[in-house]
Amino acid sequence: EAQVTQNPRYLITVTGKKLTVTCSQNMNHEYMSWYRQDPGLGLRQIYYSMNVEVTDKGDVPEGYKVSRKEKRNFPLILESPSPNQTSLYFCASSRGQGGSPLHFGNGTRLTVT
Amino acid sequence: GQNIDQPTEMTATEGAIVQINCTYQTSGFNGLFWYQQHAGEAPTFLSYNVLDGLEEKGRFSSFLSRSKGYSYLLLKELQMKDSASYLCAVRELGTSNYQLIWGAGTKLIIKP
Repeated sequence: EAQVTQNPRYLITVTGKKLTVTCSQNMNHEYMSWYRQDPGLGLRQIYYSMNVEVTDKGDVPEGYKVSRKEKRNFPLILESPSPNQTSLYFCASSRGQGGSPLHFGNGTRLTVT
Repeated sequence: GQNIDQPTEMTATEGAIVQINCTYQTSGFNGLFWYQQHAGEAPTFLSYNVLDGLEEKGRFSSFLSRSKGYSYLLLKELQMKDSASYLCAVRELGTSNYQLIWGAGTKLIIKP
């Protein structure tokens, strides 16, 4: 089954404790992206990747890191999480051409206390 | 600058028809997407318009007018399961191949 898999689904952590949210897709998509979604603000892009070893900042990259060592994986790293990073996070992938839609993972609800 | 406007919330009755509007301002247009998102779940793709006109997919249709910077999503024969948020997203010319500008979404409430 074609899918984007994110883990974990829920995560509660404390300020400053490094964490990684994993994202993997099995569709051989070149394009992958991370979004955060907060009430009233819609989806905001954190980082994206056009291909292996190619990553770029989105609209809200501060406090986040990513890597794209393999085509299928695009982990999101919070080196020192803060409460303002409490949010719902989505990973997405696409062929990146024309009308190719984004396929989203099921989301990770992160709470930083 | 870039801007996408959608109504924040709409209410409709089961079995009826509802139209969700999306207006956008971009420096160059290169396609518009509609996604459906149930509360707490991932967005799922509904439709894509790049040329003017109406695209129909079963109970859902999407319309685009590039000259007016306007799109709408039309939902017919509403069902309770259509209660969700509907997200409009636009791709601009000149951006990298797949960068999208997202609206904040329209929460649709269906009443019996």
